[in-house]
Amino acid sequence: AQTVTQSQPEMSVQEAETVTLSCTYDTSESNYYLFWYKQPPSRQMILVIRQEAYKQQNATENRFSVNFQKAAKSFSLKISDSQLGDTAMYFCAFMGRVGGNQFYFGTGTSLTVIP
Amino acid sequence: GAVVSQHPSWVICKSGTSVKIECRSLDFQATTMFWYRQFPKQSLMLMATSNEGSKATYEQGVEKDKFLINHASLTLSTLTVTSAHPEDSSFYICSAYAGTYGYTFGSGTRLTVV
Repeated sequence: AQTVTQSQPEMSVQEAETVTLSCTYDTSESNYYLFWYKQPPSRQMILVIRQEAYKQQNATENRFSVNFQKAAKSFSLKISDSQLGDTAMYFCAFMGRVGGNQFYFGTGTSLTVIP
Repeated sequence: GAVVSQHPSWVICKSGTSVKIECRSLDFQATTMFWYRQFPKQSLMLMATSNEGSKATYEQGVEKDKFLINHASLTLSTLTVTSAHPEDSSFYICSAYAGTYGYTFGSGTRLTVV
């Protein structure tokens, strides 16, 4: 079974600063997808960024970037120039190519951006 | 594009009654939808995978007779919590694969059983 681990239950960052959220996973598959989702107080799940395992280049979406280390099975999210609207729960998720395209979510990291 | 509408967003019901939650894809066809449950300050746990025109596939430990899933069309999946009890109180979220838009989630339903 796939497992996703987020070891930081809570984090905080000053507005305009940079913060990195950690995620590790375990799988025997060689081709898969990794995601970071944001869940603000509204509880709506919002896709932040996605990485395909066969791509060595780290994904980037504006202020959000990842550090994907396939051998280490690590997938961290860096948020640059943090904004108050970034305050949310962040979930790391794994999706394999087998098993019906289901997500395996980590336990989440609650991020608070401090003004 | 790729919007999933979930209703109701919030429902309170009495213990022993049944509650139906709808998940509707508004601008795409969803052959497969997923139902998740989320307890406060916890992660999303997959309950079942809903396939259009066939029986849902339930995750281990999920009672299929309590959580009835129907996916009768390419745009609608429903989750019915039967004979609800306080321990069924939770946040339920649906998700669907929307092609190039990837996976999109509904806005969730907060169920409180009193």
